[in-house]
Amino acid sequence: EVQLVESGGGLVHPGGSLRLSCAASGFTFSDHYMDWVRQAPGKGLEWVGRIRNKVNSYTTEYAASVKGTFTISRDDSKNSLYLRMNSLKSEDTAIYYCVRGSSGRSFDSWGQGTLVTVSS
Amino acid sequence: SYDLTQPLSVSVTLGQTARISCGGNNIGSKSVHWYQQKPGQAPVLVIYRDSIRPSGIPDKFSGSNSLNRATLTISGAQAGDEADYYCQVWDSGSAVFGGGTKLTVL
Repeated sequence: EVQLVESGGGLVHPGGSLRLSCAASGFTFSDHYMDWVRQAPGKGLEWVGRIRNKVNSYTTEYAASVKGTFTISRDDSKNSLYLRMNSLKSEDTAIYYCVRGSSGRSFDSWGQGTLVTVSS
Repeated sequence: SYDLTQPLSVSVTLGQTARISCGGNNIGSKSVHWYQQKPGQAPVLVIYRDSIRPSGIPDKFSGSNSLNRATLTISGAQAGDEADYYCQVWDSGSAVFGGGTKLTVL
């Protein structure tokens, strides 16, 4: 069974930083592209970014709203995905989901999410 | 940027068929994926590549995509189908989600 478990969320002041982690199990993590998707309270889904697999040189893509401030990384030896968030703003307040990319470029497995609150 | 337009809400009578649309410029040339999200839960993929159901998704869910509109169809709607539904595509290297549609079963 595919499992994705996020951690690292919490309350952070505006301008602060936070690193989220996602522990993956139940599948060959190194084969897959991995993404982060967020959802502000009461709002819809917003794609944050993607990291490709080793075959594709671990290249990354980001949404325009976070480019330059968020960084996605992975450690295949630990089956883990990370999201480093810098210069956080109130509009970054959201549940952050770790998501597995699949064939057909859909998101076929989602973690339960971790809440990040940016507030003074 | 590419925009996907969904109705804010759709209502359906118990046991009838619900249709949720997702509009986008020439969306028929893209692969559309659909997600169901129930309150307090993570989204679940219910349709990918326009019309394919993942393993474990009942055949009451179906999808189509043509020209400027994709549609998610839910047959025999039940109370358990009440949820928010999101369409998603890729455009210029970025994933794009529709704004979501709240399905209410009356």
